[in-house]
Amino acid sequence: NIVLTQSPATLSVTPGESVSLSCRASQSISTSIHWYQQKSNESPRLLIKYASQSISGIPSRFSGSGSGTDFTLSINRVESEDFSIYYCQQSYSSLFTFGSGTKLEIK
Amino acid sequence: EVQLQESGPGLVKPSQSLSLTCSVTGYSITSNYWGWIRKFPGNKMEWMGYISYSGSTSYNPSLKSRISITRDTSKNQFFLQLNSVTTEDTATYYCARSSGYYDASFAYWGQGTLVTVSS
Repeated sequence: NIVLTQSPATLSVTPGESVSLSCRASQSISTSIHWYQQKSNESPRLLIKYASQSISGIPSRFSGSGSGTDFTLSINRVESEDFSIYYCQQSYSSLFTFGSGTKLEIK
Repeated sequence: EVQLQESGPGLVKPSQSLSLTCSVTGYSITSNYWGWIRKFPGNKMEWMGYISYSGSTSYNPSLKSRISITRDTSKNQFFLQLNSVTTEDTATYYCARSSGYYDASFAYWGQGTLVTVSS
């Protein structure tokens, strides 16, 4: 199985700050990584696919980068609505896996 | 607009089977890929499996002996059955659609349904 390790587990920031969330794969997965946001009591929302491809309707402050084993989700100037949990998911292998999530909380 | 809605019992007894339905509107399940994903208490997410546009299936090997995903194209629904459940299967269950035939991100999700396994 491909293990995805997300760090940090929790990130405390002030609105207006810019942040980077990390997802590291246990083996090279090219760019087959996708990022989701999940707010409390809601279903996950796709933010970025294939490492850096933007999704229609997602604010431009969200961006993704990386390839191989190291990937980053960046949020430029965090807004109050961004405080939630973020997951990465890989589709390189036929056994899809998710990271354990990063919780973005208000400092 | 594609919409997905899970339904099924919220409480299942240990050793019994968990059965959920995903009803889809706005898009035919004979196109694309349709999956089940669950989120455990404590936030761990697990992909369970999918059924394709053709009816072929793929399952998480950790569940392979217990899981079955089927469909009814006339009702535009697909189903999850998980046998011999334990308390470890307590989770919120989501159905989802892949973004494309060659795109294994999940762009569309149901609202999720909490299933508790308890006697």
